[in-house]
Amino acid sequence: DTEVTQTPKHLVMGMTNKKSLKCEQHMGHRAMYWYKQKAKKPPELMFVYSYEKLSINESVPSRFSPECPNSSLLNLHLHALQPEDSALYLCASSHHWVDRRYTDTQYFGPGTRLTVL
Amino acid sequence: DAKTTQPPSMDCAEGRAANLPCNHSTISGNEYVYWYRQIHSQGPQYIIHGLKNNETNEMASLIITEDRKSSTLILPHATLRDTAVYYCIVRSTGNQFYFGTGTSLTVIP
Repeated sequence: DTEVTQTPKHLVMGMTNKKSLKCEQHMGHRAMYWYKQKAKKPPELMFVYSYEKLSINESVPSRFSPECPNSSLLNLHLHALQPEDSALYLCASSHHWVDRRYTDTQYFGPGTRLTVL
Repeated sequence: DAKTTQPPSMDCAEGRAANLPCNHSTISGNEYVYWYRQIHSQGPQYIIHGLKNNETNEMASLIITEDRKSSTLILPHATLRDTAVYYCIVRSTGNQFYFGTGTSLTVIP
Protein backbone atom coordinates (compact mmCIF):
# COMPACT_ATOMS: atom_id res chain seq x y z
CA ASP A 1 0.00 0.00 0.00
CA THR A 2 1.52 3.32 -1.05
CA GLU A 3 -1.33 5.57 0.00
CA VAL A 4 -1.01 9.02 1.48
CA THR A 5 -4.32 10.60 2.47
CA GLN A 6 -5.05 14.29 2.82
CA THR A 7 -8.03 16.07 4.30
CA PRO A 8 -9.92 18.11 3.44
CA LYS A 9 -9.96 17.86 -0.36
CA HIS A 10 -11.09 21.46 -0.69
CA LEU A 11 -10.92 24.37 1.77
CA VAL A 12 -12.17 27.93 1.48
CA MET A 13 -11.11 30.33 4.21
CA GLY A 14 -11.07 34.01 4.95
CA MET A 15 -7.93 35.94 5.72
CA THR A 16 -8.73 36.03 9.44
CA ASN A 17 -9.55 32.35 9.79
CA LYS A 18 -7.45 29.62 11.36
CA LYS A 19 -7.60 26.23 9.68
CA SER A 20 -5.52 23.07 9.46
CA LEU A 21 -4.62 20.61 6.72
CA LYS A 22 -4.06 17.00 7.65
CA CYS A 23 -1.93 14.30 6.07
CA GLU A 24 -1.65 10.65 7.06
CA GLN A 25 0.38 7.64 5.97
CA HIS A 26 0.72 4.12 7.32
CA MET A 27 3.71 2.93 5.34
CA GLY A 28 6.20 3.30 8.19
CA HIS A 29 7.80 6.28 6.49
CA ARG A 30 9.89 8.52 8.73
CA ALA A 31 10.20 11.48 6.33
CA MET A 32 7.20 13.65 5.49
CA TYR A 33 6.88 16.74 3.33
CA TRP A 34 4.65 19.67 2.50
CA TYR A 35 4.65 21.18 -0.98
CA LYS A 36 2.76 24.11 -2.43
CA GLN A 37 1.67 24.15 -6.06
CA LYS A 38 0.28 27.18 -7.86
CA ALA A 39 -1.68 26.72 -11.07
CA LYS A 40 0.43 25.61 -14.04
CA LYS A 41 3.60 25.59 -11.92
CA PRO A 42 5.61 22.68 -10.48
CA PRO A 43 5.32 21.75 -6.80
CA GLU A 44 7.55 23.79 -4.48
CA LEU A 45 8.99 22.25 -1.34
CA MET A 46 7.89 23.97 1.88
CA PHE A 47 8.86 21.76 4.81
CA VAL A 48 10.58 18.44 5.50
CA TYR A 49 10.14 16.41 8.67
CA SER A 50 12.67 13.70 9.52
CA TYR A 51 11.83 11.35 12.38
CA GLU A 52 9.12 13.76 13.55
CA LYS A 53 11.52 16.70 13.72
CA LEU A 54 11.45 19.67 11.35
CA SER A 55 14.62 19.39 9.28
CA ILE A 56 13.99 21.81 6.42
CA ASN A 57 11.97 25.02 6.22
CA GLU A 58 12.28 26.57 2.78
CA SER A 59 11.87 30.13 4.12
CA VAL A 60 8.13 29.71 4.42
CA PRO A 61 6.20 32.62 6.05
CA SER A 62 5.21 32.05 9.68
CA ARG A 63 1.50 32.11 8.80
CA PHE A 64 2.15 28.47 7.77
CA SER A 65 2.95 26.34 10.82
CA PRO A 66 3.74 22.63 10.35
CA GLU A 67 3.36 20.00 13.02
CA CYS A 68 4.23 16.31 13.13
CA PRO A 69 2.47 14.83 16.19
CA ASN A 70 3.57 11.27 15.41
CA SER A 71 5.25 9.26 12.69
CA SER A 72 2.02 8.78 10.72
CA LEU A 73 0.54 12.27 10.86
CA LEU A 74 1.53 15.64 9.46
CA ASN A 75 -0.47 18.81 9.92
CA LEU A 76 -0.19 22.26 8.38
CA HIS A 77 -1.78 25.00 10.47
CA LEU A 78 -2.89 28.07 8.60
CA HIS A 79 -3.49 31.52 10.06
CA ALA A 80 -3.92 34.98 8.57
CA LEU A 81 -3.35 33.77 5.03
CA GLN A 82 -3.37 36.01 1.99
CA PRO A 83 -5.26 35.45 -1.28
CA GLU A 84 -1.93 34.69 -2.99
CA ASP A 85 -1.62 31.64 -0.72
CA SER A 86 -4.42 29.99 -2.67
CA ALA A 87 -2.91 26.84 -4.16
CA LEU A 88 -2.88 23.05 -4.13
CA TYR A 89 -1.11 21.83 -0.98
CA LEU A 90 0.52 18.45 -1.37
CA CYS A 91 1.79 16.11 1.29
CA ALA A 92 4.30 13.35 0.60
CA SER A 93 6.15 10.71 2.58
CA SER A 94 9.13 8.44 2.11
CA HIS A 95 11.51 6.21 3.97
CA HIS A 96 14.33 8.30 5.35
CA TRP A 97 17.24 8.56 2.97
CA VAL A 98 19.73 7.41 5.61
CA ASP A 99 17.93 4.07 5.90
CA ARG A 100 19.57 2.23 3.07
CA ARG A 101 17.36 -0.83 3.52
CA TYR A 102 14.70 0.94 1.49
CA THR A 103 14.33 3.16 -1.50
CA ASP A 104 13.42 6.69 -0.45
CA THR A 105 10.91 7.27 -3.21
CA GLN A 106 8.39 9.92 -2.23
CA TYR A 107 4.70 9.10 -2.41
CA PHE A 108 2.26 11.96 -2.74
CA GLY A 109 -1.25 12.46 -1.50
CA PRO A 110 -4.03 13.89 -3.71
CA GLY A 111 -3.65 17.38 -2.26
CA THR A 112 -5.88 19.96 -0.62
CA ARG A 113 -7.16 22.72 -2.88
CA LEU A 114 -7.05 25.89 -0.75
CA THR A 115 -8.83 29.11 -1.64
CA VAL A 116 -8.23 32.21 0.48
CA LEU A 117 -10.84 34.92 0.11
CA ASP B 1 17.05 24.12 -6.85
CA ALA B 2 15.91 22.29 -10.00
CA LYS B 3 18.78 20.81 -11.93
CA THR B 4 16.90 19.53 -14.97
CA THR B 5 15.79 20.85 -18.35
CA GLN B 6 12.81 19.40 -20.20
CA PRO B 7 10.88 20.46 -23.31
CA PRO B 8 7.70 22.27 -22.22
CA SER B 9 5.34 20.14 -24.31
CA MET B 10 5.15 17.08 -26.55
CA ASP B 11 2.49 15.20 -28.48
CA CYS B 12 2.33 11.46 -29.04
CA ALA B 13 -0.08 9.33 -31.07
CA GLU B 14 -2.06 6.80 -29.10
CA GLY B 15 -0.45 3.36 -29.21
CA ARG B 16 2.96 4.72 -30.13
CA ALA B 17 5.96 5.00 -27.83
CA ALA B 18 6.35 8.31 -26.02
CA ASN B 19 9.98 9.32 -25.50
CA LEU B 20 10.43 12.15 -23.01
CA PRO B 21 13.94 13.64 -22.78
CA CYS B 22 15.59 15.30 -19.80
CA ASN B 23 18.92 17.08 -19.52
CA HIS B 24 20.77 17.05 -16.21
CA SER B 25 24.27 18.06 -17.23
CA THR B 26 25.39 19.01 -13.70
CA ILE B 27 24.41 15.70 -12.11
CA SER B 28 26.97 14.28 -9.71
CA GLY B 29 27.92 10.68 -9.11
CA ASN B 30 25.60 9.90 -6.23
CA GLU B 31 22.51 11.67 -7.53
CA TYR B 32 19.50 9.70 -8.71
CA VAL B 33 17.18 10.58 -11.58
CA TYR B 34 13.50 10.30 -10.69
CA TRP B 35 10.46 10.59 -12.94
CA TYR B 36 6.99 11.53 -11.75
CA ARG B 37 3.85 12.48 -13.58
CA GLN B 38 0.92 14.62 -12.55
CA ILE B 39 -2.47 14.22 -14.09
CA HIS B 40 -4.53 17.39 -13.89
CA SER B 41 -4.79 18.64 -10.29
CA GLN B 42 -3.93 15.27 -8.76
CA GLY B 43 -0.88 14.48 -6.66
CA PRO B 44 2.32 13.55 -8.51
CA GLN B 45 2.62 9.84 -9.23
CA TYR B 46 5.94 8.02 -9.04
CA ILE B 47 6.99 6.34 -12.29
CA ILE B 48 10.59 5.17 -12.10
CA HIS B 49 14.07 6.11 -10.93
CA GLY B 50 17.67 5.15 -11.64
CA LEU B 51 21.28 5.93 -10.89
CA LYS B 52 23.44 4.64 -13.74
CA ASN B 53 21.82 1.63 -15.34
CA ASN B 54 18.75 1.56 -17.50
CA GLU B 55 15.62 0.59 -15.58
CA THR B 56 12.27 -0.88 -16.56
CA ASN B 57 9.08 -1.46 -14.64
CA GLU B 58 5.46 -2.05 -15.49
CA MET B 59 4.87 1.59 -16.31
CA ALA B 60 7.93 2.72 -18.23
CA SER B 61 11.60 2.40 -19.11
CA LEU B 62 14.34 4.81 -18.11
CA ILE B 63 17.38 5.16 -20.33
CA ILE B 64 20.33 7.05 -18.80
CA THR B 65 23.25 8.03 -21.02
CA GLU B 66 26.67 6.71 -20.15
CA ASP B 67 27.90 10.14 -19.03
CA ARG B 68 24.65 10.50 -17.02
CA LYS B 69 24.07 14.00 -18.38
CA SER B 70 20.72 13.14 -19.88
CA SER B 71 17.98 10.55 -19.70
CA THR B 72 14.85 9.49 -21.56
CA LEU B 73 11.62 8.18 -20.14
CA ILE B 74 9.88 5.78 -22.49
CA LEU B 75 6.19 4.94 -22.27
CA PRO B 76 6.07 1.99 -24.68
CA HIS B 77 2.44 2.18 -25.81
CA ALA B 78 0.94 5.53 -24.89
CA THR B 79 -2.76 5.71 -24.05
CA LEU B 80 -5.03 8.69 -23.56
CA ARG B 81 -4.68 8.20 -19.80
CA ASP B 82 -0.97 8.96 -20.10
CA THR B 83 -1.77 12.61 -20.88
CA ALA B 84 -0.10 14.44 -17.98
CA VAL B 85 2.80 16.66 -16.96
CA TYR B 86 5.97 14.59 -16.60
CA TYR B 87 8.67 15.75 -14.19
CA CYS B 88 12.30 14.68 -14.27
CA ILE B 89 13.99 15.27 -10.91
CA VAL B 90 17.58 14.91 -9.82
CA ARG B 91 17.74 14.00 -6.18
CA SER B 92 20.77 14.74 -4.07
CA THR B 93 21.56 13.12 -0.75
CA GLY B 94 18.96 14.16 1.73
CA ASN B 95 15.26 13.97 1.19
CA GLN B 96 14.58 17.07 -0.85
CA PHE B 97 12.96 16.94 -4.28
CA TYR B 98 13.17 20.06 -6.41
CA PHE B 99 10.81 19.89 -9.34
CA GLY B 100 11.66 21.45 -12.69
CA THR B 101 9.04 22.83 -15.03
CA GLY B 102 8.20 19.44 -16.57
CA THR B 103 6.91 18.32 -19.97
CA SER B 104 3.22 18.42 -20.75
CA LEU B 105 2.53 15.27 -22.76
CA THR B 106 -0.63 15.10 -24.83
CA VAL B 107 -1.59 11.70 -26.25
CA ILE B 108 -3.62 12.16 -29.40
CA PRO B 109 -6.27 9.63 -30.50
